[in-house]
Amino acid sequence: DGGITQSPKYLFRKEGQNVTLSCEQNLNHDAMYWYRQDPGQGLRLIYYSQIVNDFQKGDIAEGYSVSREKKESFPLTVTSAQKNPTAFYLCASSMVGGPGDTQYFGPGTRLTVL
Amino acid sequence: AQSVSQHNHHVILSEAASLELGCNYSYGGTVNLFWYVQYPGQHLQLLLKYFSGDPLVKGIKGFEAEFIKSKFSFNLRKPSVQWSDTAEYFCAVNLRAGGYQKVTFGIGTKLQVIP
Repeated sequence: DGGITQSPKYLFRKEGQNVTLSCEQNLNHDAMYWYRQDPGQGLRLIYYSQIVNDFQKGDIAEGYSVSREKKESFPLTVTSAQKNPTAFYLCASSMVGGPGDTQYFGPGTRLTVL
Repeated sequence: AQSVSQHNHHVILSEAASLELGCNYSYGGTVNLFWYVQYPGQHLQLLLKYFSGDPLVKGIKGFEAEFIKSKFSFNLRKPSVQWSDTAEYFCAVNLRAGGYQKVTFGIGTKLQVIP
């Protein structure tokens, strides 16, 4: 059963702590993405990667970091430098990262910073 | 910088009413256009997309969208909505910039269909 998994579904952290969100895909897709979804703001691109060991900043990369050591995995770290980290985080993947690619989304992780 | 505007943030319709959700983008080059849908409790998924060719594209569940290049628009339509169409709809624009693709989503439109 192919797809994208994100874990955990809900995550609570204290202010000042770094936290890493997991994203795994078994679709054999080259490209992966992280978005942040806030009410009234839609989806905003944090980081994306078209190939292993390479990634690019999106529109709101400040306070976040990523790695792409394996094709299947694209973890996102929310650092203490992120001023407003409480949000719903969505991971996606697409076949090659081309303009016509369809993106496939995971179920999301809701992060709450207390 | 490219941007995507969705003008209707919250739409309430009765079943069988016709639907049109507006989407405009700002970019003068070649674009690929998408509508994604998020049903309650489900993953965001593709509804339809325009890549090239016929500007009128048909998607799942009776939805269609028309790409009008001169108006920079890609409006979503459905002649008769059902209660099961209640969802949030996102327009997205995808272009290649500097060797990497750049994806921009609109803020979304919440559609509520009343039985």
